[in-house]
Amino acid sequence: GENVEQHPSTLSVQEGDSAVIKCTYSDSASNYFPWYKQELGKRPQLIIDIRSNVGEKKDQRIAVTLNKTAKHFSLHITETQPEDSAVYFCAATLNTGGFKTIFGAGTRLFVKA
Amino acid sequence: NAGVTQTPKFRILKIGQSMTLQCAQDMNHNYMYWYRQDPGMGLKLIYYSVGAGITDKGEVPNGYNVSRSTTEDFPLRLELAAPSQTSVYFCASSTPGFRASPLHFGNGTRLTVT
Repeated sequence: GENVEQHPSTLSVQEGDSAVIKCTYSDSASNYFPWYKQELGKRPQLIIDIRSNVGEKKDQRIAVTLNKTAKHFSLHITETQPEDSAVYFCAATLNTGGFKTIFGAGTRLFVKA
Repeated sequence: NAGVTQTPKFRILKIGQSMTLQCAQDMNHNYMYWYRQDPGMGLKLIYYSVGAGITDKGEVPNGYNVSRSTTEDFPLRLELAAPSQTSVYFCASSTPGFRASPLHFGNGTRLTVT
C-alpha cells in the first residue's frame, strides 16, 4: 500500500524566514497531494493541494512543488509569521477502487517572533 | 451547513467496554472516512466508505467496525476497548468525482481507554 514519509518532524524558524517541509510517497498511482495545517487541539484543514499533472502551485506565501519521477513533493512557506506555527501534514491520494488518502507523520513548525 | 459533526467530544472507557463514535455530514458527500491520531503522530486511516452500503478497510482496521446505511452517517464501533485505542478520532468526508478532492474533517472525538 501507499506509504508517505515526511521530514523534518520538527522545524524552528525565525519570523520572516522561509520554511520547507519535504515528503516522499511510494505508490506511483498516487495523483493528488494535499497539505493540511492543524493548530493545537483543532481539526486538520486544507491549505494547498497539487495534482500529478502540475509541477508547482502557489497561493500567496505558500507554494507546493511535485517531482513525479522522484516521488517527492514539498511545501514552501515564505515570510513566516507566528500564526504559521502549527503541525503540517502532507498526504497522498490514490484510487484503488475508491479514493484513499494516506498521511505523513507531520511536521511541527515553530515560528519565533 | 454544519459540515462534519462528531459526537461525543470526549469519552473515557474502561478496558473491554464498547462504544460507538458518531459522525454525520450534511454536505451530501459520498465519501466518508475515519482516521485516528495518536499523540504527536500523523493520521492513520481506519475505514472508509465510498457511498451508502459500501465500506472498506484502511491502514489500521483491527478492533473497529463501521457501517454506512445512509449517505449522511458513518458510525465507528469499538467492541472491546483496549488501551492501544486511546487516541483522537477524526471523521472526514469528501466528494470526489473523476478526481480526488480535499477532506473535510470533523472536530474529533478524544477517547481514553483505561
